[in-house]
Amino acid sequence: DIVMTQSPLSLPVTPGEPASISCRSSQSLLQSNGYNYLDWYLQKPGQSPQLLISLGSNRASGVPDRFSGSGSGSDFTLKISRVVAEDVGLYYCMQALQTPYTFGQGTDLQIK
Amino acid sequence: QVILHQWGAGLLKPSETLSLTCGVFGGSSRGYYFNWIRQSPGKGLEWIGKISPIGDTNYNPSLKSRVTISRGPSDNPFAQFSVRLELTSVTAADMAVYYCARSDGHPPFDSWGPGTRVTVSS
Repeated sequence: DIVMTQSPLSLPVTPGEPASISCRSSQSLLQSNGYNYLDWYLQKPGQSPQLLISLGSNRASGVPDRFSGSGSGSDFTLKISRVVAEDVGLYYCMQALQTPYTFGQGTDLQIK
Repeated sequence: QVILHQWGAGLLKPSETLSLTCGVFGGSSRGYYFNWIRQSPGKGLEWIGKISPIGDTNYNPSLKSRVTISRGPSDNPFAQFSVRLELTSVTAADMAVYYCARSDGHPPFDSWGPGTRVTVSS
């Protein structure tokens, strides 16, 4: 199985400040078609996970443009340009390259 | 817009069979894959398996011997169809919140059900 490793696991952020989450995979998620099979999800308190970013950098419909995904191969980053209160929750990366699909441990973003 | 509802028994005894249903409402989802994913404090998010539009399945090898995912008509007349998860011989290690989620073949999972908490206790 592909192992996904996120850091940090806890991320306290002041509103208005940027935030960054790292995700690394145990093997490359870059396919020969040029796509990186890496997705990002946010699980707000008491809710199901929701899709933020697919294929490494494609924002899902309705996701604010303060969220951006970057990276390639085995090294990826989710950035929030200016954190707001509604961004609180658990952020997960997930590899979609091969089954079994596997998730990172989650990063708990909190407001300072 | 698709809405996924979930129902099924949330309290099981060890060795019983977990049975959950995901009803698909609204939108047009017959051409989509449906996945089951579970979340527990100890193991985080774990993909269980998926079923294709024509009923082909793919399971996590860690659960393959105990899992069956199927899809078909729903008992609820307002649902397009239902997707069912069965997990046999449950133990305390199977305690988790179970989610169904839709994907277009490969992930991403663009719609998620609300989750069903499953407890295993004698």
